[in-house]
Amino acid sequence: SAVISQKPSRDICQRGTSLTIQCQVDSQVTMMFWYRQQPGQSLTLIATANQGSEATYESGFVIDKFPISRPNLTFSTLTVSNMSPEDSSIYLCSVVEEGGYNEQFFGPGTRLTVL
Amino acid sequence: AQSVTQPDIHITVSEGASLELRCNYSYGATPYLFWYVQSPGQGLQLLLKYFSGDTLVQGIKGFEAEFKRSQSSFNLRKPSVHWSDAAEYFCAVGFSNDYKLSFGAGTTVTVRA
Repeated sequence: SAVISQKPSRDICQRGTSLTIQCQVDSQVTMMFWYRQQPGQSLTLIATANQGSEATYESGFVIDKFPISRPNLTFSTLTVSNMSPEDSSIYLCSVVEEGGYNEQFFGPGTRLTVL
Repeated sequence: AQSVTQPDIHITVSEGASLELRCNYSYGATPYLFWYVQSPGQGLQLLLKYFSGDTLVQGIKGFEAEFKRSQSSFNLRKPSVHWSDAAEYFCAVGFSNDYKLSFGAGTTVTVRA
């Protein structure tokens, strides 16, 4: 399966600032997704990162708060903007490989704490 | 409403004992079904998946799961648990018309010596 890395692995940020999280895959993939996992909770899909076009956001998530880029088939970024303590979560990217059947492979996650 | 349910929030099991984690789904069609494991401080690892065919699927780390259409269930089992199996387990469903997954709330497994 694809090897997925995320940077940073963790960060502590101040309220009102923004953080950009990077997701790098070692092979070209069909789909890339971003999830949020709030403390003690399950995963919630934020958006689908579309290569060369605007991301597709799920209900409750907006581009102004979570801008996403995907300039090519192996890389994507998620920015958490104007952060508040409620944004403290683990953010995970996942991919579907070419020929995959919805099986998603996940990066190690970015643990974000907002003070 | 469409949903994925993991009825057990927390399960404690003795090392060497068997383990069964429950997963039920409520969708009009039969979805693709997955089990993921998340060890503390780690990302998610795919344990096994069901798309079609044989309803008993084998996965990694000695896990297996059985799809029962009549019960809309996809329960995960392991005959003999090891201390390293202590983790959070997530059931997920997806459909062939898109690549999205919906996750259950998760079950925390604690293994006691």
